[in-house]
Amino acid sequence: GDSVTQMEGPVTLSEEAFLTINCTYTATGYPSLFWYVQYPGEGLQLLLKATKADDKGSNKGFEATYRKETTSFHLEKGSVQVSDSAVYFCALSDPGAQKLVFGQGTRLTINP
Amino acid sequence: GAGVSQSPSNKVTEKGKDVELRCDPISGHTALYWYRQSLGQGLEFLIYFQGNSAPDKSGLPSDRFSAERTGGSVSTLTIQRTQQEDSAVYLCASSSRTGSNQPQHFGDGTRLSIL
Repeated sequence: GDSVTQMEGPVTLSEEAFLTINCTYTATGYPSLFWYVQYPGEGLQLLLKATKADDKGSNKGFEATYRKETTSFHLEKGSVQVSDSAVYFCALSDPGAQKLVFGQGTRLTINP
Repeated sequence: GAGVSQSPSNKVTEKGKDVELRCDPISGHTALYWYRQSLGQGLEFLIYFQGNSAPDKSGLPSDRFSAERTGGSVSTLTIQRTQQEDSAVYLCASSSRTGSNQPQHFGDGTRLSIL
């Protein structure tokens, strides 16, 4: 079945550091890929998405590129802020399946 | 605000009792989803509605779990004879139409604790 594997957390960085959170997937079809974020005390929010190979999703300075050849969708940000501290979830949705399949989440803490 | 609304936000109940969790999707959203978030299992899909019908119930963990949706809007997730392993945050999401590329918008969840 479909699955998503995320970089093990927790991840702790200093403000203005470069961030990468790795995500790889296994899917039977040609999925859409998503990053969701859960800030402390809040619900899940869509951060960005990509629906086909080589698409780049971007939002709030975060980027992720759909790489079909490596089945990856790594999340990057050039300069993180304290306000980026949250749990990040990579997810996929296979055509015809509708449901989201999530990775286990990566807790990110940014220190000033 | 017209986001996805879930109630109650917290529910504590004794083992063996029945519970009902409610979800109000974003107005006009035809697709509605239930997920469960627990420490041991992460985020798991439970059931998906398109309108009032449920084409995919594959994630419901046992026959103690059921869900319905009426009027193409509000949905209720019912857990009968609750067990301690049912303790989790139950999340509802909606999307404007079906399709794997459609983003799902999540509510804040109901935190269920079984004593």
